[in-house]
Amino acid sequence: TQLLEQSPQFLSIQEGENLTVYCNSSSVFSSLQWYRQEPGEGPVLLVTVVTGGEVKKLKRLTFQFGDARKDSSLHITAAQPGDTGLYLCAGGRYGGSQGNLIFGKGTKLSVKP
Amino acid sequence: NAGVTQTPKFQVLKTGQSMTLQCAQDMNHNSMYWYRQDPGMGLRLIYYSASEGTTDKGEVPNGYNVSRLNKREFSLRLESAAPSQTSVYFCGHGSPGTSFREQYFGPGTRLTVT
Repeated sequence: TQLLEQSPQFLSIQEGENLTVYCNSSSVFSSLQWYRQEPGEGPVLLVTVVTGGEVKKLKRLTFQFGDARKDSSLHITAAQPGDTGLYLCAGGRYGGSQGNLIFGKGTKLSVKP
Repeated sequence: NAGVTQTPKFQVLKTGQSMTLQCAQDMNHNSMYWYRQDPGMGLRLIYYSASEGTTDKGEVPNGYNVSRLNKREFSLRLESAAPSQTSVYFCGHGSPGTSFREQYFGPGTRLTVT
């Protein structure tokens, strides 16, 4: 069974701090997505990375796909209360049905003003 | 909500009752999915449908059935609800590209089985 391990599970920081969330696996993925989920809502896609070593930036968020396509990180610079939420990584599996993803268990981020 | 409508938003069932969760997408995507989300467990795939007329089991299919009624609609049925099925259920649909496998989710149905 392919697993995606996310760390840390919980993170509580002050506004303005930087943070990094990790997503690791022993399996190789065709792509890696990051989602953010707010309470009472469904996950919302933030970014997809598909090439080993790829780095994508979305304002203060920086996403990186590992060279071996087994891991990824999300770095937030100068976190703000609006960044609060559950961050989920999801890996696209080779083969299988189109669109089949493996989800990590998530990192719950709380940013205090 | 990424072009996904889920009904109902909340539901309380007694053990043994049945119900159908409805999902419709308006983005003309072939792939549709049903997930459940439990505290500390992330999203787990129940069933998916790669295209109209096809369905396949995911990681946790026991106790559920699905119907891909047409390209837009994918329903999830609980024939005899159990307390272990208390969860939040998300319907999603997938982008047509086979490489990226991005998925888009509805707002969820919060189900409690007593």
